[in-house]
Amino acid sequence: EVQLLVSGGGLVQPGGSLRLSCAGSGFTFSNYALSWVRQAPGKGLEWVSGISGSGVSTYYADSVKGRFTISRDNSKNTLYLQMNSLRAGDTALYYCAKDIWSGRTAPTIFDCWDQGTLVTVSS
Amino acid sequence: QSALTQPASVSGSPGQSITISCTGTSSDVGDYKYVSWYQQHPGKAPKLMIYEVNNRPSGVSDRFSGSKSGNTASLIISGLQAEDEADYYCSSYTSSSTLVVFGGGTTLTVL
Repeated sequence: EVQLLVSGGGLVQPGGSLRLSCAGSGFTFSNYALSWVRQAPGKGLEWVSGISGSGVSTYYADSVKGRFTISRDNSKNTLYLQMNSLRAGDTALYYCAKDIWSGRTAPTIFDCWDQGTLVTVSS
Repeated sequence: QSALTQPASVSGSPGQSITISCTGTSSDVGDYKYVSWYQQHPGKAPKLMIYEVNNRPSGVSDRFSGSKSGNTASLIISGLQAEDEADYYCSSYTSSSTLVVFGGGTTLTVL
């Protein structure tokens, strides 16, 4: 069974940093591009960042470019999101999502999602 | 403001059919086949219902279908059931500086 498990959320002050992790199992992790998608309380989905299976290609939403860094360690089957200079507007439930097709560079269709981890930016 | 435009809410009675629209531009919905639809029940993670405009993942009911005309994609749900009551989001690949855009979401109420 394909599974994703996210950890690392919590309460952080404005300007602070946080790193999210997403552990994958039940599939050949290195073959699949992955993304982070967030959902502010009571709001809709917002794509945040994506990475190819090899980790060579990365993509960011304009709202987080320069502040967030996506990476992956295929030896550990783990995806990361390093979030710096956090703002109140970054408060959201952060989901890790897997691309539907093996071998694609850009993750744009998400067939597996974790349950999300809550990031709260507040003083 | 979301990049893709969806109606905030739609409703229908059990057994009826409904359509949810998703309007974008020639930089996303209009020029690419990578339009997807997700269902999200309260407190749950999104679930992929339609991908590449009109394809259903294994396990998704054939009551769900998709189409596209110009810059507007549509999700059609036939034979409405109480369990279909949820939020629905469209998404698309975009050639703009970001990679993926979502719609603002549509709340489906089964009367």
